Amino acid sequence: EDKVVQSPLSLVVHEGDTVTLNCSYEVTNFRSLLWYKQEKKAPTFLFMLTSSGIEKKSGRLSSILDKKELFSILNITATQTGDSAIYLCAVLSRAGGTSYGKLTFGQGTILTVHP
Amino acid sequence: DTAVSQTPKYLVTQMGNDKSIKCEQNLGHDTMYWYKQDSKKFLKIMFSYNNKELIINETVPNRFSPKSPDKAHLNLHINSLELGDSAVYFCASSQHTSRNTEAFFGQGTRLTVV
Repeated sequence: EDKVVQSPLSLVVHEGDTVTLNCSYEVTNFRSLLWYKQEKKAPTFLFMLTSSGIEKKSGRLSSILDKKELFSILNITATQTGDSAIYLCAVLSRAGGTSYGKLTFGQGTILTVHP
Repeated sequence: DTAVSQTPKYLVTQMGNDKSIKCEQNLGHDTMYWYKQDSKKFLKIMFSYNNKELIINETVPNRFSPKSPDKAHLNLHINSLELGDSAVYFCASSQHTSRNTEAFFGQGTRLTVV
């Protein structure tokens, strides 16, 4: 069974701190790894990573994938209170016996940024 | 315009009842999903449909029956509701899941069974 594990499960920091969120996975037929941010309602897409060692960056957020060691990290620099959310890691893999994809999510990391 | 919309947003019902949640996407995507998010915030896939055809059914009790009248709609019907069904249910859609593509999520339906 495909498995995605995130750590830490929760994190409390102060504004201005830098945080690193971890995601490790064990899946068959890996295609890509995705990061989502979930505030009060729907998860919103942040990054998709398909190749090892290539950093994706968006403002203060960046992410990188290591396909050999089967993990990814999401970095947030100079955190702000608006970064408080659940960060979800998901792996897109081929659904068994089909050519279609399946997204498997980790448990999420709850990030709280205090002023 | 909302890309993926679910109704209702909140649903409170008694044990044993039957209820439905509707989902529509206007993104032109060919694949739709239902996910369940429990109290620990864990998002678990329930079903996936591609062009009205069931692709994934992840060991969900047969009290849950998805229905896809066309590729823009995927509804979820739940029979004989149980307390453990209380959760937030998210609908999502994506395009061409044989390639790498992200999923877009609806706002969720918070189901409370009392």
